[in-house]
Amino acid sequence: GAVVSQHPSRVICKSGTSVKIECRSLDFQATTMFWYRQFPKQSLMLMATSNEGSKATYEQGVEKDKFLINHASLTLSTLTVTSAHPEDSSFYICSAESGQANYNEQFFGPGTRLTVL
Amino acid sequence: KQEVTQIPAALSVPEGENLVLNCSFTDSAIYNLQWFRQDPGKGLTSLLLIQSSQREQTSGRLNASLDKSSGRSTLYIAASQPGDSATYLCAATYQGGKLIFGQGTELSVKP
Repeated sequence: GAVVSQHPSRVICKSGTSVKIECRSLDFQATTMFWYRQFPKQSLMLMATSNEGSKATYEQGVEKDKFLINHASLTLSTLTVTSAHPEDSSFYICSAESGQANYNEQFFGPGTRLTVL
Repeated sequence: KQEVTQIPAALSVPEGENLVLNCSFTDSAIYNLQWFRQDPGKGLTSLLLIQSSQREQTSGRLNASLDKSSGRSTLYIAASQPGDSATYLCAATYQGGKLIFGQGTELSVKP
C-alpha cells in the first residue's frame, strides 16, 4: 500500500514550452501533497504544499506563476512548469501525506526528470 | 531558520563494517524524523520513521535513534553490503507537514 506515482518519469522539452507533471496516490486519499525539486548532487528543496480544493502554499523564492499547482482531487496533484527555461531543468519529486493527524508519514513518487533544451 | 545537517557528506567502507550516519537539526519542534535512501537518478525509498515521542526504530540491519532535545539522529547500519551503496537522506517534519532535508551522505561499500 501507500504507492505514489508520477508521470512522466522523464521529459525533454524546448525552451518556452510548458510541461505538466502528474502526481497520483494510487491506493489512498491524500488531502495534502508536496512538490520538491532536486538539483544534481543536492538535496530536496520543498517548492510548495498542495491541499485538495484550495490554493497551493509556495515556499519563499518559488514563483507561483511559474510553477502552477492544481490539486483537483484527493488522489491527483499536477505541477505545470510554464514557459520552461534551461535553468528549470531538474528532478521534480512529489509526496503525498496520508491521514490528517500528527503529520503522518509522507510517501514519495519516483520523480520526474525535466530537461529543457 | 530550520536546517538539517548530515555528516559525513561521503563515506567509503569495506564490506562487513558497521557504520553510523549522523543527522542534526536546528529546530527541535519536529513531529517526526525520517531516513531515506536514494539511488542515483532515482526517487526516495523510505527506510525508517521515528515519531518525536520515540527514541529509536529498527528494521533489519538498520537502526535509527532520535534525541530530540539535542537535535540529533543517527542511522546505524550493521554488517554493510555493497548493495547498501547509495545516498542516505534524513528529513525532519515540521508544522504543516513540511519536510526539511539534509544534504545527504553518499555511502560506498567496497566488496
